Amino acid sequence: GAGVSQSPSNKVTEKGKDVELRCDPISGHTALYWYRQRLGQGLEFLIYFQGNSAPDKSGLPSDRFSAERTGESVSTLTIQRTQQEDSAVYLCASTRFGGSTDTQYFGPGTRLTVL
Amino acid sequence: SQQGEEDPQALSIQEGENATMNCSYKTSINNLQWYRQNSGRGLVHLILIRSNEREKHSGRLRVTLDTSKKSSSLLITASRAADTASYFCATDSLNTGNQFYFGTGTSLTVIP
Repeated sequence: GAGVSQSPSNKVTEKGKDVELRCDPISGHTALYWYRQRLGQGLEFLIYFQGNSAPDKSGLPSDRFSAERTGESVSTLTIQRTQQEDSAVYLCASTRFGGSTDTQYFGPGTRLTVL
Repeated sequence: SQQGEEDPQALSIQEGENATMNCSYKTSINNLQWYRQNSGRGLVHLILIRSNEREKHSGRLRVTLDTSKKSSSLLITASRAADTASYFCATDSLNTGNQFYFGTGTSLTVIP
């Protein structure tokens, strides 16, 4: 594909509601990352998918956060019972092989605002 | 935490001047990458330097790595207004190969 796409680009929700964020990686990329970026901050690792291996969920901040990916395709990040501190930009990146020398190709992000 | 720290947090220079940004990290690494983020956009990869390398060049970019000091610098020469962006370093870790640790970023403003 042309690049990593994410939807929606902006999401405003009320505290306590569930949200689902979508990431479409570059076709053929086996690895996919989710990050959270709070205003003016760096990127916080959330979760990593590599092919059909078990995902690395070590960065998920609480059990309200979960993510799925089917094969090497679309991934969804779900946040249940959203809290105001969940407000951030959620970035997705894909890489060809998943190694640390791989270039990460980032999507434009989803800006989540929890009122 | 392995998370890197960029220094300075913000930098403002005139077009044509050089910009230097520094990154420090905490644990041993395999590789270090630099990324750029324009306002409201995703990150774009700039350059990768391996732990056994000391310096790399790419166009107007020069990256150095000092593993003994656990630090890296990014030099942008002959800056342009279009270089205005935030710049992040990202490291892996010898212990956790999957995760990338991003620093807090340097916000660069190049004044035309």
